[in-house]
Amino acid sequence: QQQVKQSPQSLIVQKGGISIINCAYENTAFDYFPWYQQFPGKGPALLIAIRPDVSEKKEGRFTISFNKSAKQFSLHIMDSQPGDSATYFCAASIESGNTPLVFGKGTRLSVIA
Amino acid sequence: SAVISQKPSRDICQRGTSLTIQCQVDSQVTMMFWYRQQPGQSLTLIATANQGSEATYESGFVIDKFPISRPNLTFSTLTVSNMSPEDSSIYLCSGHMYTEAFFGQGTRLTVV
Repeated sequence: QQQVKQSPQSLIVQKGGISIINCAYENTAFDYFPWYQQFPGKGPALLIAIRPDVSEKKEGRFTISFNKSAKQFSLHIMDSQPGDSATYFCAASIESGNTPLVFGKGTRLSVIA
Repeated sequence: SAVISQKPSRDICQRGTSLTIQCQVDSQVTMMFWYRQQPGQSLTLIATANQGSEATYESGFVIDKFPISRPNLTFSTLTVSNMSPEDSSIYLCSGHMYTEAFFGQGTRLTVV
């Protein structure tokens, strides 16, 4: 049973455009929702994270939007750059209890000039 | 934040042999996790390693095949035993500091 569903599987965006990646979760006990960025040959790196007490969090060009009632959250990359080309994973976990992250299947983003 | 040093970064091994992957964290972390990632795929949790207790394995992974050690709060090892070509994958360790998870660079294992 996949607890975090991520879409799209791949995404091509023009330089300067907005990249949008969506995730939906099933377990209402999840209360921590991070996004990871992974470049080839590297481990995933934490990009931005949100908790369900807020509906949006912005860090630079990266924004997480969170809809608790719909059990969905999304990553928006504004002014996308070729250097943003990577695989992005959404994840979820139960913050208390040190449980492992549950990952989405990933989105391969290509930003073309 | 925490920095996790993982080694080796890659290895090519003969089938039937074993490889031990090491992860060193620059800070004390309560929980460490080991993942497997096929190229282009998501991360699959192998086991959770807590200091002072036996690792907890996910369905499909067993201790005899993937023994794990966690001798202290900054170090853990994963051994891939009696390897077959199906074990070829990227292995990643992760440490949790508060709610944030940090990853090593990964070990790309090829079994021939």
